Amino acid sequence: GDSVTQTEGLVTLTKGLPVMLNCTYQTTYSPFLFWYVQHLNEAPKLLLKSSTDNKRTEHQGFYATLHKSSSSFHLQKSSVQLSDSALYFCALRSNYNVLYFGSGTKLTVEP
Amino acid sequence: AQTIHQWPVAEIKAVGSPLSLGCTIKGKSSPNLYWYWQATGGTLQQLFYSITVGQVESVVQLNLSASRPKDDQFILSTEKLLLSHSGFYLCAWSLSAETLYFGSGTRLTVL
Repeated sequence: GDSVTQTEGLVTLTKGLPVMLNCTYQTTYSPFLFWYVQHLNEAPKLLLKSSTDNKRTEHQGFYATLHKSSSSFHLQKSSVQLSDSALYFCALRSNYNVLYFGSGTKLTVEP
Repeated sequence: AQTIHQWPVAEIKAVGSPLSLGCTIKGKSSPNLYWYWQATGGTLQQLFYSITVGQVESVVQLNLSASRPKDDQFILSTEKLLLSHSGFYLCAWSLSAETLYFGSGTRLTVL
């Protein structure tokens, strides 16, 4: 069945360092991948999305590239800020109207 | 501008009691509507979706039901709550099953 795997549950970094949050997926359909960010006590918000193979997509300093050959959609940022501390979810839409979320990665950025 | 309103903000209920959570979307005609459940610090699990009034599709079975009595309203309910129903319930809307716009959620505690 369709699934999303996020291998890091917790990531702690010092401000200014780069980050990569891993996301891999499994599906037999044509994939559409998303990254959602959820700050403490808030609703999740869309950060990035892509269905185009090998094309980098960027928003608010974060970027990701969908690689269908490796079934991956890793999230990266070159320099994290304190305000980036949040829960990050990778999600897969394969079947129309059903979105599968990964287990989430909690990113904590320290001064 | 589109707004999504969920009610109540929080509920504390006894095991075995009934539950009704609501969601209203203003500013969008015929949106796709979704219910998600999130355990504390956990992933988002899609429960239901609806693409038109009166039609609701179930994604997982959790002894919950949903209804869409009006174009802009989505209701989640059960006649008998279980301890496992505790968590954060999020309503969301989209136009094309791509970007989801989440409400602020209802925190449910079942004792």
